[in-house]
Amino acid sequence: GENVEQHPSTLSVQEGDSAVIKCTYSDSASNYFPWYKQELGKGPQLIIDIRSNVGEKKDQRIAVTLNKTAKHFSLHITETQPEDSAVYFCAASDNAGNMLTFGGGTRLMVKP
Amino acid sequence: SQTIHQWPATLVQPVGSPLSLECTVEGTSNPNLYWYRQAAGRGLQLLFYSVGIGQISSEVPQNLSASRPQDRQFILSSKKLLLSDSGFYLCAWEGQANTEAFFGQGTRLTVV
Repeated sequence: GENVEQHPSTLSVQEGDSAVIKCTYSDSASNYFPWYKQELGKGPQLIIDIRSNVGEKKDQRIAVTLNKTAKHFSLHITETQPEDSAVYFCAASDNAGNMLTFGGGTRLMVKP
Repeated sequence: SQTIHQWPATLVQPVGSPLSLECTVEGTSNPNLYWYRQAAGRGLQLLFYSVGIGQISSEVPQNLSASRPQDRQFILSSKKLLLSDSGFYLCAWEGQANTEAFFGQGTRLTVV
């Protein structure tokens, strides 16, 4: 089955700096890679996703890049703000099973 | 639009007592349904998933069970809670033709 590794487990940045979270996956059949943000006491919510037919996707201050050859994908947050502080999860799945495998999460802290 | 309801939001139960957490989905049919547990500061552990009424797959052996009596209803149960069952429980759903997962707001269970 799929195995998704996520690094780092915690990340502390100064407000205004960039944050990068990286994930690797094991199943070359995976073709869908979403990122979720979980605020304290709430369920995770999708913030951005990418499919294997593109290498990069951007939505305002967040972007995701995908390297299918190396089987890794990354979340980039620019101009971080205190409200970006949360736990972020990457995930991967393929069309066959439609079941997401999650990374272990990254706790991002943005210091004002 | 699709929505997911999960209740209760918080629960404090004594060791040895039974448990029943309920999750319902609106606005879609035949979704894949999931129960996850999240220990404090940890990632998402998949407990159960269901691809249809009465079809339950368990990912880890444990003190819990799940049932899907109706298409859009998923129930997490235990006959006798253990201290180690404490955690944040999340229900999620995926459409059959869509790999994005939607999470409920979670139930914080404390076993005392």
